[in-house]
Amino acid sequence: GQSLEQPSEVTAVEGAIVQINCTYQTSGFYGLSWYQQHDGGAPTFLSYNALDGLEETGRFSSFLSRSDSYGYLLLQELQMKDSASYFCAVRDNNYGQNFVFGPGTRLSVLP
Amino acid sequence: DSGVTQTPKHLITATGQRVTLRCSPRSGDLSVYWYQQSLDQGLQFLIQYYNGEERAKGNILERFSAQQFPDLHSELNLSSLELGDSALYFCASSGNSGHEQFFGPGTRLTVL
Repeated sequence: GQSLEQPSEVTAVEGAIVQINCTYQTSGFYGLSWYQQHDGGAPTFLSYNALDGLEETGRFSSFLSRSDSYGYLLLQELQMKDSASYFCAVRDNNYGQNFVFGPGTRLSVLP
Repeated sequence: DSGVTQTPKHLITATGQRVTLRCSPRSGDLSVYWYQQSLDQGLQFLIQYYNGEERAKGNILERFSAQQFPDLHSELNLSSLELGDSALYFCASSGNSGHEQFFGPGTRLTVL
């Protein structure tokens, strides 16, 4: 089967750094994506890791360790507009390389 | 704006009815994906089409079906609707890599 785990909620203050972890279990791992979703909005793509290591895109970075079945999203210099839900998603060969989404982590950024 | 359009934005219907949701992908994208997002189930992959052909199926019920037309727009048909089908339905499209998906604004379906 397939399962993903993320913390349900994270709270941080403006300007801080926050890390959202994601652990997964699947026999068909192909890659790990992160998506951001604001309330009432659509998911928007943040990053994709197919290989181990850190990918940096501006204030956001994503890390993958395939041996540990683990990844994280790192958000730096937090801004109020970063308050949203963040989903990790495993690209899974068992689903034709389509994505299985985690339950999501709700990030609240406080002033 | 992702470039993916979905209609209608909202749909209210009764149990037992049938509805059709429509999606137009970004210009040039051949792949279309359908997802269901409900409060208790998160974002669930339903089905993928690539250039008119079904490519992969996820947790799609037999009461649901989809197709992609020659102009690449796609429709998701939901029939014999139940209260539990109330959810947000998203369409997404992608280019050849497939790993970056662009989501439409969604259709909120309410079954009464």
